[in-house]
Amino acid sequence: AQSVTQLDSQVPVFEEAPVELRCNYSSSVSVYLFWYVQYPNQGLQLLLKYLSGSTLVKGINGFEAEFNKSQTSFHLRKPSVHISDTAEYFCAVTALAGNEKLTFGTGTRLTIIP
Amino acid sequence: DAGVTQSPTHLIKTRGQQVTLRCSPKSGHDTVSWYQQALGQGPQFIFQYYEEEERQRGNFPDRFSGHQFPNYSSELNVNALLLGDSALYLCASSATLAGGRTGELFFGEGSRLTVL
Repeated sequence: AQSVTQLDSQVPVFEEAPVELRCNYSSSVSVYLFWYVQYPNQGLQLLLKYLSGSTLVKGINGFEAEFNKSQTSFHLRKPSVHISDTAEYFCAVTALAGNEKLTFGTGTRLTIIP
Repeated sequence: DAGVTQSPTHLIKTRGQQVTLRCSPKSGHDTVSWYQQALGQGPQFIFQYYEEEERQRGNFPDRFSGHQFPNYSSELNVNALLLGDSALYLCASSATLAGGRTGELFFGEGSRLTVL
């Protein structure tokens, strides 16, 4: 079984400042990793994913994440945030043979301060 | 191309009642998964349907059941509703890739269920 820990439930950041949202996972097998964003009253939208290859993954809206196998982490970063980035961010994991049955973290609420 | 559509968007039920939620997958997708998202929590996997059969199931009681139709649309049924069933229910669809793996999940906007 897999589990995901998002260490910060809320992260306030000033507009145009950089941000890092932390995610650690636990699994006894190899995994795929994902970050999703959820805007208020909406479903989930895929930001980026790590399947294999380069450990630095670039996604939509200027976000990127780095897979660190030794630290079992997959932190999300953006060099300069905008008001429109205000949302809930979820890290998720699935086993390689998991047919995309995702295990999600509890989420991090990113609030951008003007 | 319409994405994943869910209905109804909001509904209110009382304890003990039964509810049916519906999902139409994205065009070209043959697999439907259902997730429950309680307030302030991440989504939790309920079950997944492929070829009209339940392929995987999460840790949910038998009160939660589902169905997939020949056109790949799906229903989630919850019987004997409890207050704790109040949540946003998300449907996600995906396509089966070569080798049997499941492709990227696309989520609908959810059905928000309130149990009083």
